[in-house]
Amino acid sequence: DMKVTQMPRYLIKRMGENVLLECGQDMSHETMYWYRQDPGLGLQLIYISYDVDSNSEGDIPKGYRVSRKKREHFSLILDSAKTNQTSVYFCASSFWGLGEQYFGPGTRLTVL
Amino acid sequence: GDSVTQTEGQVTVSESKSLIINCTYSTTSIAYPNLFWYVRYPGEGLQLLLKVITAGQKGSSRGFEATYNKETTSFHLQKASVQESDSAVYYCALGAFNTGNYKYVFGAGTRLKVIA
Repeated sequence: DMKVTQMPRYLIKRMGENVLLECGQDMSHETMYWYRQDPGLGLQLIYISYDVDSNSEGDIPKGYRVSRKKREHFSLILDSAKTNQTSVYFCASSFWGLGEQYFGPGTRLTVL
Repeated sequence: GDSVTQTEGQVTVSESKSLIINCTYSTTSIAYPNLFWYVRYPGEGLQLLLKVITAGQKGSSRGFEATYNKETTSFHLQKASVQESDSAVYYCALGAFNTGNYKYVFGAGTRLKVIA
C-alpha cells in the first residue's frame, strides 16, 4: 500500500509555541520533501531530504528545521512559531530523480 | 529561476462541457524539463494525473490530456467532457535538474468546479 501519512491533520498553536509536524511513508523512498502552500501561491519547498541525516534547504527554510533519523520518517519543526507560518503543509516522497512525488493529505496549521 | 504559471485561480464548467486549464512554464535548465499535472481532491494529498518527459509528446489519463509544447512553453490540460467527480484543484508542475539536483516547481493551482 503506497502511502504518505501526515500527523496531525489540523493544529492550532499560539505564537512562540513549538510545533512538530510528522510525516511517514511506506515506499522506501530515499527522498522526502516538506512544502507549504498559501492562497494564490504554488507549493513552496521548505526542505528536502535525500536520505537519513542528509537534508538540504529548499527555497524558504527560514524559521524551520527538519529531522530524518529513519528513511520512512521525516519531521518538520517550528521553533517558536510565528503567525506568518500559518499555512497548509504538505509532505511528499519520491525515488531520487524519477520525478513523480507521492503526497500526504496535508496539515493545516494555524498560529494565533 | 524556474517558474510555472496557471492564469486561472478558479474555473467553473457545466457537466459534459469541455475544459481547458492553462499552464506555461519557464526554466533556466539547459535540458528540457519534465512536465506534470497533479490533482488534489478534497481532504486528500496531491496525486499524479499525468506526466510527459519528452517535448512534443502528449500525456493522457482518465480522459484528461496535455501536450508538451516547447515552442510556446505550454502544457495546457484539456478534457472533452467533464463530470462532477472531476471537481478538484489541478496543479501544473515542472521537474528539472538544476545545479546537480532534481527540483520541482509548482503552479498556484486551478480550482475546477463542475456544475450539473
